[in-house]
Amino acid sequence: DSGVTQTPKHLITATGQRVTLRCSPRSGDLSVYWYQQSLDQGLQFLIQYYNGEERAKGNILERFSAQQFPDLHSELNLSSLELGDSALYFCASSVGTSGRGEQYFGPGTRLTVT
Amino acid sequence: EDQVTQSPEALRLQEGESSSLNCSYTVSGLRGLFWYRQDPGKGPEFLFTLYSAGEEKEKERLKATLTKKESFLHITAPKPEDSATYLCAVQAVGGDDKIIFGKGTRLHILP
Repeated sequence: DSGVTQTPKHLITATGQRVTLRCSPRSGDLSVYWYQQSLDQGLQFLIQYYNGEERAKGNILERFSAQQFPDLHSELNLSSLELGDSALYFCASSVGTSGRGEQYFGPGTRLTVT
Repeated sequence: EDQVTQSPEALRLQEGESSSLNCSYTVSGLRGLFWYRQDPGKGPEFLFTLYSAGEEKEKERLKATLTKKESFLHITAPKPEDSATYLCAVQAVGGDDKIIFGKGTRLHILP
């Protein structure tokens, strides 16, 4: 158990809908990272927050947005969902901004768009 | 563009048969190279961080090494429980903390 929690574990929704994924980092970790993992693309970095502020941005679509709250939990919002958004979404956390590679991953949310 | 390529894509070994996984990378400047292990349906689990060429790290049957262009994950006398996907990732020197992952090597150890 990494100490990072994600909810929900599974999510099934229809095209055009909007969903929110939630992540609670390990106790004491200030950075939260969001990743998307699909069979053909591998693990793709989406966005990082550090202590409430956006720190780094990867291949995140404009239909997706995220935020980190004062209690350090984070939410990833996915809107106007398409079939291609079906994937595993992972949240990871680390102590500082650099990460030093030692990111601790949650169990993931499996999103299925039908 | 920063890039990470892992080979082979998949590897089947007999229990006890040692081998190496390769991670080739292209970055403007390397801040760190990382190895993770991922079991099916689970999040990646951190294994090692390497920072400079010549560095080595070991953990049980795994040893990671780093050169200026690639990293190897050596697996000595593997056991079936070592079966997993091994992911390599790099972090470049620069203004943000983005980490780029390779697509991984699926390792299957046969008893």
